[in-house]
Amino acid sequence: DSGVTQTPKHLITATGQRVTLRCSPRSGDLSVYWYQQSLDQGLQFLIQYYNGEERAKGNILERFSAQQFPDLHSELNLSSLELGDSALYFCASSVVGQSTSGNTIYFGEGSWLTVV
Amino acid sequence: AQSVTQPDIHITVSEGASLELRCNYSYGATPYLFWYVQSPGQGLQLLLKYFSGDTLVQGIKGFEAEFKRSQSSFNLRKPSVHWSDAAEYFCAVEDGANNLFFGTGTRLTVIP
Repeated sequence: DSGVTQTPKHLITATGQRVTLRCSPRSGDLSVYWYQQSLDQGLQFLIQYYNGEERAKGNILERFSAQQFPDLHSELNLSSLELGDSALYFCASSVVGQSTSGNTIYFGEGSWLTVV
Repeated sequence: AQSVTQPDIHITVSEGASLELRCNYSYGATPYLFWYVQSPGQGLQLLLKYFSGDTLVQGIKGFEAEFKRSQSSFNLRKPSVHWSDAAEYFCAVEDGANNLFFGTGTRLTVIP
């Protein structure tokens, strides 16, 4: 158990709909990351937050957005869903948002999203 | 831009045999490199990481990896594979801001 909690574990929804994925980071971690794992694109970095502020963006679609709340949990909002958005969405967390030799990124077990 | 190549999509080894999974990276500066493992239906677990110093890195579950700057490689090794090692293995490079860029993964099958 990494200590990163994601809900829901599984979600099935229809095209055009909107969903919200939730993540609670490890206790004490200030940075939250979102990754997408799909058959087509593999594992892709989407976005990073540090202590409530957006820190970096990767290949995140405009239909997707995220935020990190004062209690440090994060939500990933996916809207106008398409079949191709079906994927495993990982949340990860770390103590800080910069590279240090002791900084490890811990991943949750992911949220499986199926768009039908 | 940073990138990682894992040339082997699928590898099959016999239990007790040695294992080497290949990883080549592209990065302009000194890379921070990682190996993660994903068991079916599970999240990603960190096996080991390289930041600096000794180029041979020891990890969990008996795994090790060697950083070779001249070959831009960070291959993962294990001297004797166990059936429980069957999983998907991902190599990753970090971009200097703690964001990881992953290879396409290598699926390991272990036969008795």
